[in-house]
Amino acid sequence: QQPVQSPQAVILREGEDAVINCSSSKALYSVHWYRQKHGEAPVFLMILLKGGEQKGHEKISASFNEKKQQSSLYLTASQLSYSGTYFCGTAYGGSQGNLIFGKGTKLSVKP
Amino acid sequence: SQTIHQWPATLVQPVGSPLSLECTVEGTSNPNLYWYRQAAGRGLQLLFYSVGIGQISSEVPQNLSASRPQDRQFILSSKKLLLSDSGFYLCAWSVRTAMNTEAFFGQGTRLTVV
Repeated sequence: QQPVQSPQAVILREGEDAVINCSSSKALYSVHWYRQKHGEAPVFLMILLKGGEQKGHEKISASFNEKKQQSSLYLTASQLSYSGTYFCGTAYGGSQGNLIFGKGTKLSVKP
Repeated sequence: SQTIHQWPATLVQPVGSPLSLECTVEGTSNPNLYWYRQAAGRGLQLLFYSVGIGQISSEVPQNLSASRPQDRQFILSSKKLLLSDSGFYLCAWSVRTAMNTEAFFGQGTRLTVV
């Protein structure tokens, strides 16, 4: 049931763009995106609830294709502060209970 | 405002010893509560979640157990720790409404079993 993220890791130069993908073999009710800095707790970025929905947070945006059971996170003009591990998560059971995350994508932004 | 407290921050325990990690949430009622473990290469692994007092669902078989004795208290326990129990344990909560809402994480407990 765990969503699958790709790539596992990506290295960028400051100012470059990146895309992180999240897919599921099971129907997705919603998709959550979080970022975790090393040794810290994950921090919420955004949640997408509807098929085809897109959201943005500063220069980070995401899309959710409910039919394809996929979500993508877009990081534009990356900054050093974007470094960390990005997780997508989904509550297959809707609002009641399990929130399951993928294995994460480690993003390193170099100066 | 809502806050989540998780303790201890770090813990070193010998193999075979018991474990008790506690998590409490303030400023909200009737939250969903979660325990996750983070080990190298495995991401955020959901261990237990709870939608109410005494209601615990387990996602993976293991020698860990969870309890929710009060609405805003979630406890992770083990009677005998294994080396493989080492990892970063995170407690989280979310609002239980009809629509999905974000999860808020505690600062985590780094457990080393020796």
